[in-house]
Amino acid sequence: EVQLVQSGAEVKKPGESLKISCKGSGYIFTNYWIGWVRQMPGKGLEWMGIIYAGDSDDRYSPSFQGQVTISVDKSINTAYLQWTSLTASDSAMYYCARPRVAALRDAFDVWGQGTLVTVSS
Amino acid sequence: ETVMTQSPATLSVSPGERATLSCRASQDVRSNVAWYQQKPGQAPRLLISGASTRANGIPARFSGVGSGTEFTLTISSLQSDDFAVYYCQQYHDWLTFGGGTKVEIK
Repeated sequence: EVQLVQSGAEVKKPGESLKISCKGSGYIFTNYWIGWVRQMPGKGLEWMGIIYAGDSDDRYSPSFQGQVTISVDKSINTAYLQWTSLTASDSAMYYCARPRVAALRDAFDVWGQGTLVTVSS
Repeated sequence: ETVMTQSPATLSVSPGERATLSCRASQDVRSNVAWYQQKPGQAPRLLISGASTRANGIPARFSGVGSGTEFTLTISSLQSDDFAVYYCQQYHDWLTFGGGTKVEIK
């Protein structure tokens, strides 16, 4: 079964750093891109960026460029989303997702279960 | 950046009725549009890709049409399991989502 399993919920303080993970299984991890999607409370979906698991080539939405870092460790089939200094506005559910085909731009047909990030003093 | 605009924001429909959801792109995205369903507390689920191709396991009551800038998702006969939020997404010019349409019980 193809699946993405994300790390658990996080509660952090403003200014702290954070790295959440997304582990792929059931397919050849290095053949696909992995994207990250934010969903703020009660709001819609926002594409943040995407990384190719084979060589770490990455792309960011202009809205998130410089705000987060996407990385991958192909030795353990895991992608990451990282912040160096969190703010309250980073409180959201974050999903990783895999495109339907081994291409940069396609529909996401496999989704992680989501990681809830809460930033509060 | 291509903006995707969905309408209406909320659609009230009775079970068994047809639901028609619209999505407009700010520029030509060819047929590079997907539709997703999201229920409370769940990750989105892919329904349609390529504007009209149902994903694996998606019932035939879901259908998509459109190309260029105008797209439509139709649910032919709403079942209780279909009340959810629906998002369109374009993947022609990077990746952007519409704001969503909530389909609620009338």
